Amino acid sequence: GQSLEQPSEVTAVEGAIVQINCTYQTSGFYGLSWYQQHDGGAPTFLSYNALDGLEETGRFSSFLSRSDSYGYLLLQELQMKDSASYFCAVRPRNSGNTPLVFGKGTRLSVIA
Amino acid sequence: EAEVAQSPRYKITEKSQAVAFWCDPISGHATLYWYRQILGQGPELLVQFQDESVVDDSQLPKDRFSAERLKGVDSTLKIQPAELGDSAMYLCASSLAGTPYEQYFGPGTRLTVT
Repeated sequence: GQSLEQPSEVTAVEGAIVQINCTYQTSGFYGLSWYQQHDGGAPTFLSYNALDGLEETGRFSSFLSRSDSYGYLLLQELQMKDSASYFCAVRPRNSGNTPLVFGKGTRLSVIA
Repeated sequence: EAEVAQSPRYKITEKSQAVAFWCDPISGHATLYWYRQILGQGPELLVQFQDESVVDDSQLPKDRFSAERLKGVDSTLKIQPAELGDSAMYLCASSLAGTPYEQYFGPGTRLTVT
């Protein structure tokens, strides 16, 4: 089976850096995705790590280490608009169709 | 910018009634997904289409839920009869066939069953 663990809540100060961790227990998967969801809104795709290492997209970076069963999303120069829920997701490597499995999400609150 | 369209945005229905949701994916996206999201949880897949074919409906409560994508474009998700526990956000998403990790979500339908 597979499960993803994320902290339920994180609070950080505007302008700071915050790291949202995602640990997983799965026998194998294709890669790690991150999605952002504002209250009342739809999830939006942020990043995808197919390989181990760091992927950078503007203020957001995502990291994957398969050997450590661990990944994280790094948000720099935090802005108030970054307050949202962040979900990590994996697509397990099984036979047949393997849908995206989402974690329960981390609610980020950015404070002044 | 192309978007996934869903309607209605909100639906209130009484238990035992029928309800239907509609989704129009981004043009050219062969893969369409219906998810259910409970407040404070991540989206959970109900059904996945590749063109007009169902490729995964293992988590769809088939005694009351049905989904179709007859022409491989837009899709309808139906619940009959609705139960109190069906109250949730129903999200539709689409992706290119080769990039299932990058899904584009519609605004969702907030269903309340009374």
